[in-house]
Amino acid sequence: SQKIEQNSEALNIQEGKTATLTCNYTNYSPAYLQWYRQDPGRGPVFLLLIRENEKEKRKERLKVTFDTTLKQSLFHITASQPADSATYLCALFSSNTGKLIFGQGTTLQVKP
Amino acid sequence: EPEVTQTPSHQVTQMGQEVILRCVPISNHLYFYWYRQILGQKVEFLVSFYNNEISEKSEIFDDQFSVERPDGSNFTLKIRSTKLEDSAMYFCASSALQNYGNTGELFFGEGSRLTVL
Repeated sequence: SQKIEQNSEALNIQEGKTATLTCNYTNYSPAYLQWYRQDPGRGPVFLLLIRENEKEKRKERLKVTFDTTLKQSLFHITASQPADSATYLCALFSSNTGKLIFGQGTTLQVKP
Repeated sequence: EPEVTQTPSHQVTQMGQEVILRCVPISNHLYFYWYRQILGQKVEFLVSFYNNEISEKSEIFDDQFSVERPDGSNFTLKIRSTKLEDSAMYFCASSALQNYGNTGELFFGEGSRLTVL
């Protein structure tokens, strides 16, 4: 069956450090992968998209990598700040199913 | 900045009652979605809608659920006879483009929290 796995344990890091979150998937051939941020009680907010033929994408302090051989995406936040504390969701779109499916998310806590 | 708006923000209902959740997508968007999130769990796809018809739906979206775009601006989710397990946050989303080929960015509303007693 198709699975998207994100580390369910919260990630705690010190302000200024780089946070790295992982998204692994099985039995998918995603056309692209997206990352969203979700704050408690709020809707997800789009951050970045990376296509299957792209290795890396950057936006300000954010960097995403996509390895279709390992079936893995890494999401990095450099120079992290307490305001980056949130849950980060990985989402895969499969052109086979026509659906954007979310992982369960990883909660990041950045301590001052 | 344009945004997706949802009403009500919170609805409490008795089991077996009908509920209608309303959404106003971003005005020039063509694709509309409902997702739900049970407390502490992941965001789950329910249905996508394009050109006045359902394009995809999940196994969660059974005969108790229906969607409609009654007037060209609102997009509604109806649950005919609510069950306890329907208690969740329901998110509406819209996108300018279909989820392949281009950005496919989904814009989410702030959600409608449904509590079934």
